[in-house]
Amino acid sequence: IAGITQAPTSQILAAGRRMTLRCTQDMRHNAMYWYRQDLGLGLRLIHYSNTAGTTGKGEVPDGYSVSRANTDDFPLTLASAVPSQTSVYFCASSRFGTGSNTGELFFGEGSRLTVL
Amino acid sequence: KNEVEQSPQNLTAQEGEFITINCSYSVGISALHWLQQHPGGGIVSLFMLSSGKKKHGRLIATINIQEKHSSLHITASHPRDSAVYICAVRDQGGSEKLVFGKGTKLTVNP
Repeated sequence: IAGITQAPTSQILAAGRRMTLRCTQDMRHNAMYWYRQDLGLGLRLIHYSNTAGTTGKGEVPDGYSVSRANTDDFPLTLASAVPSQTSVYFCASSRFGTGSNTGELFFGEGSRLTVL
Repeated sequence: KNEVEQSPQNLTAQEGEFITINCSYSVGISALHWLQQHPGGGIVSLFMLSSGKKKHGRLIATINIQEKHSSLHITASHPRDSAVYICAVRDQGGSEKLVFGKGTKLTVNP
């Protein structure tokens, strides 16, 4: 693995189904994020984590949950998918803190989710 | 609430032209990011800056903290520069959360 990896790349699922989007990074970044990107709305933060063991709510957290059991993995779960969650989801990571090598963002390739 | 406004929303240029994309924000920030997204593709970080100017190849990013404004310039534009360019800011509160602009869609014609 090099950088940040998301899976699946795309998925179609029925409303009401549970779905987990996976995100893994090998850069030992402490901060990780999940965004959704919708036409005309730009990127919106769903949940974030500043370090393993902690998570926080972003701008649009309803219907989504996350966990951060370790530094590398940050899965996003839709407990009961609804059509309004049809979107492209991006996972990102960065080094949180002070110093010249902190803050640059690295994004996964995105996961296109369609809820019917 | 920190708002991030980009202009223009859409920009069409001829190959070789000098391109400028603007980003304005409303509150104090600790850093500003410029990102690039190609059609159907992932998002790549171009610059992160908190003051002054940075240059990478044909790309130049500037920021004026007092005016709460940043510009992204592309010199000698090329069709492969066609992409959506996104500005994002991190506020001074120390939070790692970013606020994004809606992006500027650039099309460079040969």
